[in-house]
Parts: sequence; structure tokens; C-alpha cells
Amino acid sequence: QEHLVQSGAEVRKPGSSVRVSCKASGDRFTSYGFNWVRQAPGQGLEWMGGILPVFGSTKYAQKFQGRVTITANESTTTVYMDLSGLRSEDTALYYCARVNNNYDFNNYLDPWGQGTPVTVSS
Amino acid sequence: DIQMTQSPSTLAASVGDRVTITCRSSRGISSWLAWYQQKPGKAPKLLIYKASRLERGVPSRFSGSQSGTEFTLTISNLQPDDFATYYCQEYESENTFGQGTRLEI
Repeated sequence: QEHLVQSGAEVRKPGSSVRVSCKASGDRFTSYGFNWVRQAPGQGLEWMGGILPVFGSTKYAQKFQGRVTITANESTTTVYMDLSGLRSEDTALYYCARVNNNYDFNNYLDPWGQGTPVTVSS
Repeated sequence: DIQMTQSPSTLAASVGDRVTITCRSSRGISSWLAWYQQKPGKAPKLLIYKASRLERGVPSRFSGSQSGTEFTLTISNLQPDDFATYYCQEYESENTFGQGTRLEI
């Protein structure tokens, strides 16, 4: 069964950028899409965007347009989420999650990575 | 944008109870709805997709149903392991999540 393993906790200053990685363990990396979802402390889930590695195409939530970039490296089966212009409101747990096909960003998500805490503080 | 209104925000119940959680979409999303369970410090876990299809390995006491734009998650015979927070997600448009329902003892 596929697992998604994310990079470790990050602390950043306001205005800086952060990169979070998500390595997929399976051998059918391009058969799926991958999305990023974040969860602020004590809050609900918020979809940020996704990537379809087989096409290299991406889709971002309007809220994050211009600040988030999602990329994928097929050779290392790793997906990356870069978030720039960090502010305190970006302090959250960031999850990657797999989409069950390789042609649609909109789908149910399974499995999920373990989450990466990102703290933005001066 | 589609809005997902989930209720209640908190639900108190006892072991053995039957509970229902509701999500209402602001417009039609066909059956493109999933339910997740999240425990403190853990990633969400998929329970149900396409409104009523049980994910493999999920106990049959979990069920999902739909009436138009209203979706319901029902948990029968509550077990201690079921006390958690539950989220709905539409995936017809922008993968919008409901606000969550905390199920507590």
C-alpha cells in the first residue's frame, strides 16, 4: 500500500518562503495526482492546490494563486509545495494527499501524508 | 464557489448510540462527496466516497447517504474509537471541506 512521507517541521520568518516535500513510496507515481491541504491550529481543512505529474499540470485555489507552486519529480517520486510571502496566518499543518486518478484534481483523497508543521514567526 | 455547510459543529454521544452528521452543498455536486475521520495529531482518514461508497477496511457501522444537496454520515453502534472529528469534502468543483463535526463522549 502506498505511503506518503513528508519532510520535517519548518520555522520561517514573515515574508520568507518554505518548501515542503512529500515522497510517494509506490511504483505508479504518474498514475495519480497529488493535492496539498492545510490545517491551521484548531481549524478545519483547506485545499491549496494539486498536481498531475503525468502531465505536469497544476491547479491552485484562488486564495493561494501567486504564492504557491506545486511541482513533482518523477525520478524521485516526490512532490513539492512552495509557499512564498509567508505571514503568521500561514502557520499550519500542511498535508499532501493522493488523488485516485491521474487526470482530475477534484477527487477524494487517500492516502494522506503525516503532515508537516510550518510555523511563521518573527 | 461551492459552500459546504456541515452540522452540528459538536455532537455529544455515548458508546452504542447512532449519530448523524449532515453536510449541505450550496449547489448541486452530483454525488461527488467524501467523508473523513480525523483524530488529534493524525492525518484525516477516508471513510466514504461518492456519497455512499464505503472505503475498503472501514467498518460497516459507517454509512453515507444523499438527498439532493444534503449529505449524511451515519455512525451506528458508536464505538470508543469513533470519537473524533469528521469532515465532508466536495470534489465536484474545488475540493471544499465542511467546517468539521467534533464527536465527543
